[in-house]
Amino acid sequence: GAGVSQSPSNKVTEKGKDVELRCDPISGHTALYWYRQRLGQGLEFLIYFQGNSAPDKSGLPSDRFSAERTGESVSTLTIQRTQQEDSAVYLCASNRGSQPQHFGDGTRLSIL
Amino acid sequence: KQEVTQIPAALSVPEGENLVLNCSFTDSAIYNLQWFRQDPGKGLTSLLLIQSSQREQTSGRLNASLDKSSGRSTLYIAASQPGDSATYLCAVAPSNTGKLIFGQGTTLQVKP
Repeated sequence: GAGVSQSPSNKVTEKGKDVELRCDPISGHTALYWYRQRLGQGLEFLIYFQGNSAPDKSGLPSDRFSAERTGESVSTLTIQRTQQEDSAVYLCASNRGSQPQHFGDGTRLSIL
Repeated sequence: KQEVTQIPAALSVPEGENLVLNCSFTDSAIYNLQWFRQDPGKGLTSLLLIQSSQREQTSGRLNASLDKSSGRSTLYIAASQPGDSATYLCAVAPSNTGKLIFGQGTTLQVKP
């Protein structure tokens, strides 16, 4: 596809379970970003990849959160032992150089 | 720490009006500033990107200005249409790594 693709679009899980969110960036985009948007709050930066390395992980809220990226392709964001405060929309974006970031439609995560 | 504020939080106007959305940021050392549009349940669409050396950018009915020294940007929408109804987000990039810091957005409703 032409845009950033995220899956699943919706995820409902029980507190304490692990979840894995996936992002397929636009082909050729070297940079990939994860953001979180909690209800009533602005977008929060989580992590940035350049290729498959992550020079900026400063936004990850706790050690329950981790992410990896395969080359300049797919990235997965993993949340272990989910808590109710992890409920949010998780957005992925990609770009190349200084071009604007292109965003996916997000994964809406609900923790029961 | 860079903080981004958007005023007003919500705005309702009749169709055809010209309007201005405001964005302010606390640290003038930015790499660029971007305006995005977000429709309900969707990701973000980039509208305009202003590099730190630029004063304004225009695209169709949209014009964005940047005054780095005062820490302000405005998004001007001419001849508003119901299809412009959405949440508008302002974001600053503190450096060339592309990480964005977002304001909380202005939700615009244009009434037919």
